[in-house]
Amino acid sequence: DAGVTQSPTHLIKTRGQHVTLRCSPISGHKSVSWYQQVLGQGPQFIFQYYEKEERGRGNFPDRFSARQFPNYSSELNVNALLLGDSALYLCASSPTWGQASYEQYFGPGTRLTVT
Amino acid sequence: RKEVEQDPGPFNVPEGATVAFNCTYSNSASQSFFWYRQDCRKEPKLLMSVYSSGNEDGRFTAQLNRASQYISLLIRDSKLSDSATYLCVVNKNYGGSQGNLIFGKGTKLSVKP
Repeated sequence: DAGVTQSPTHLIKTRGQHVTLRCSPISGHKSVSWYQQVLGQGPQFIFQYYEKEERGRGNFPDRFSARQFPNYSSELNVNALLLGDSALYLCASSPTWGQASYEQYFGPGTRLTVT
Repeated sequence: RKEVEQDPGPFNVPEGATVAFNCTYSNSASQSFFWYRQDCRKEPKLLMSVYSSGNEDGRFTAQLNRASQYISLLIRDSKLSDSATYLCVVNKNYGGSQGNLIFGKGTKLSVKP
């Protein structure tokens, strides 16, 4: 079975531009979460979606937005890119939401560089 | 205080050594705990969940002490392939948020021949 897939794998943008990152969860998983990982730090939570609804939001500015589609895939959008948005963006999928004990599985990430 | 704190590392050990990683978390309402492994420039991969009774998977043993809000990971008989960054992770099942994983900064392990 395919794991979590993300596209693109690498991306270079300039300040002020907009970017869209894509994620497909593991087959049968209905929840997708997005994380940002800057060099030397652990991943930081951005959003979680379940059944096309936002179920959680981390401490990120409104320039960050996301959505989930009927097939459970997801997009993360970032507007007005800043140099500080350069990071590895990780998507994680899990079977469900609302239970404390489920595990999340990560995709390979999209490495975004803002110049 | 950070929500999840880990040993700063790095840990440099010879093959065959036993190494222990420690982690503390700040919110007693946290309910789920994990160790993830991350290789350089790769995604985090789930190593093991951590249960109150403690759990073991081959050379890896994880322990949870809810009273002390402390999590540990023990690796016995270290292999070169164990070299990676180990991330302590807590599920933020509090404050109206569920399913939000809180990661520690990670501890880098280098196993030398």
